[in-house]
Amino acid sequence: ETGVTQTPRHLVMGMTNKKSLKCEQHLGHNAMYWYKQSAKKPLELMFVYSLEERVENNSVPSRFSPECPNSSHLFLHLHTLQPEDSALYLCASSQEFKVSPTGELFFGEGSRLTVL
Amino acid sequence: QKEVEQNSGPLSVPEGAIASLNCTYSDRGSQSFFWYRQYSGKSPELIMFIYSNGDKEDGRFTAQLNKASQYVSLLIRDSQPSDSATYLCAVNRGFGNEKLTFGTGTRLTIIP
Repeated sequence: ETGVTQTPRHLVMGMTNKKSLKCEQHLGHNAMYWYKQSAKKPLELMFVYSLEERVENNSVPSRFSPECPNSSHLFLHLHTLQPEDSALYLCASSQEFKVSPTGELFFGEGSRLTVL
Repeated sequence: QKEVEQNSGPLSVPEGAIASLNCTYSDRGSQSFFWYRQYSGKSPELIMFIYSNGDKEDGRFTAQLNKASQYVSLLIRDSQPSDSATYLCAVNRGFGNEKLTFGTGTRLTIIP
């Protein structure tokens, strides 16, 4: 089983829909992240959870709502999105948040979101 | 000015040659520097990290850091077609994952 698993891999939704992205990590890590990857733009950090507590929220619109019920699972709830929100949403985990020997992030393969 | 700047490419290098990927950053307080490789349709994976000025070698990969010039590079020796990917440079003010700032990436193509 891969370290970080994301579902669904592809999602098409209308602007009025409500959907959720799911991420699960099997690495025993304490920190989980949501990143947004758009074409020609750098990876943008959206949210960080450390031991199920949100520690970073990078001015993300409220139409994106994260949830971390335990250290292995992370959700991104989507509501009334805009077409410009179409992107690849990457979940990642790391051993710890602030103190990490290598700073390594382990990424899932992403959820490709298209908003019509 | 972009926080982390990379030439988007594509950079084409013949098989067996040295591929040189460059990255500049704007925050002088940056302490740690990372290179991630992302194959098309796949997730990024860490290949090198460097904290100190100078060179750090790992197999065919060498990371070079010059904090005075705010410049970090990745050299790939004996380039292979399997090295064809997008290479993402990332920097951090701390030594953990407080806030990795990524560049847009350089697309590298190794020509057989």
